[in-house]
Amino acid sequence: GAGVSQSPRYKVTKRGQDVALRCDPISGHVSLYWYRQALGQGPEFLTYFNYEAQQDKSGLPNDRFSAERPEGSISTLTIQRTEQRDSAMYRCASSPRRGGTVNEKLFFGSGTQLSVL
Amino acid sequence: QKEVEQDPGPLSVPEGAIVSLNCTYSNSAFQYFMWYRQYSRKGPELLMYTYSSGNKEDGRFTAQVDKSSKYISLFIRDSQPSDSATYLCAMSPNTGNQFYFGTGTSLTVIP
Repeated sequence: GAGVSQSPRYKVTKRGQDVALRCDPISGHVSLYWYRQALGQGPEFLTYFNYEAQQDKSGLPNDRFSAERPEGSISTLTIQRTEQRDSAMYRCASSPRRGGTVNEKLFFGSGTQLSVL
Repeated sequence: QKEVEQDPGPLSVPEGAIVSLNCTYSNSAFQYFMWYRQYSRKGPELLMYTYSSGNKEDGRFTAQVDKSSKYISLFIRDSQPSDSATYLCAMSPNTGNQFYFGTGTSLTVIP
């Protein structure tokens, strides 16, 4: 596709369940970022990858959150034992450059809206 | 104190007006400054980026960075109803990999 694709578009789950959010970046893009955006707020950094290597996961709130990008393309953000406070829009972004490069440009997907009941 | 401060608005202007959007920041290590536009229910879309201080112009949009004041601005000339969106500033250190976003300013341009 032409842009960053995320699925599902909406996810409603019960507290305590695990969820997996998928991101398909723009073809050929090197770096992939996960952000979380609460209503009325700007995106908050979670983690990012260069190719398949996770470079920085300092933004993940706790050890219930994990991410992988095993083949350097599609990435999955997994949240275990979800809690109501995890409810937010989860956005993926990709960039043609390696993370940390000057003039890096992020291309965002439309996000997955997660609601934990 | 947040890394990046941005007035959430909302801001409402008549068509044709000049719009000024601003952010302040506290981290003097920031070197790379961006403005994103986000339409309702869409992901942020990169509008402009600047490196270090100075001005950059692209059509009706002008981005300014004043590092001495830790203050950045986005000006929109001849604003159009299609400019109605939320505008997010973002910034990062020179070799950083984390982009720090403002909360976004909601803009409505009235025909």
